[in-house]
Amino acid sequence: ERVMTQSPATLSVSPGGRVALSCRASQTVSRNLAWYQQKPGQVPRLLIYGASTRATGIPARFSGSGSATEFTLTISTLQSEDFAIYYCQQYDTWPFTFGQGTKLEIK
Amino acid sequence: EVQLAESGGGLVQPGRSLRLSCVASGFTFGDYGMHWVRQAPGKGLEWVSGISWNSGSVGYADSVKGRFTISRDNANNSLYLQMNSLRLDDTAVYYCAKWGSGFGSWGQGTLVTVSS
Repeated sequence: ERVMTQSPATLSVSPGGRVALSCRASQTVSRNLAWYQQKPGQVPRLLIYGASTRATGIPARFSGSGSATEFTLTISTLQSEDFAIYYCQQYDTWPFTFGQGTKLEIK
Repeated sequence: EVQLAESGGGLVQPGRSLRLSCVASGFTFGDYGMHWVRQAPGKGLEWVSGISWNSGSVGYADSVKGRFTISRDNANNSLYLQMNSLRLDDTAVYYCAKWGSGFGSWGQGTLVTVSS
């Protein structure tokens, strides 16, 4: 099983700032990695797939990068609606696995 | 518009069984892999199980392997999760999700509570 580790667990940032969320895989997952955003009481929303491709309707301030075992989700110019929990997920090999999440909170 | 509607959740005692269903609409169900993802109260997302478009390939999380069985009925646009030998730590909201280079569509979830 590929273990996905996200860091940090919590990140406090001011609106308008820029953040980079990290996701590390215990073994290579190639570029078979997705990022999701989840707000309280809502279902997760797909942001990025293929490590760097934005899903339909996702604003350009969200960008993904990385390959193999190291991945980053960058959010430039944070908006109030971006404060949420972010999860990475590998889909290279079953069992698919999620990271434990990074909570982005307002500073 | 893609719609996924789960049902079948509820309160169940440890060791008992439950069967979840997910009815899909708004897309050609038989063309897509489908999955179950769960989220325990206040916790993160956990992938549970997945099934390919033709049921030829299935996968399970280690935590449910041997206890849960995924299946689908393409004629009726339905996905199922048979959950046996339920444990306290199976308590969660169970989502069905459509696969397409990421889980682009999710149902609203059904709550399964395992308690004596």
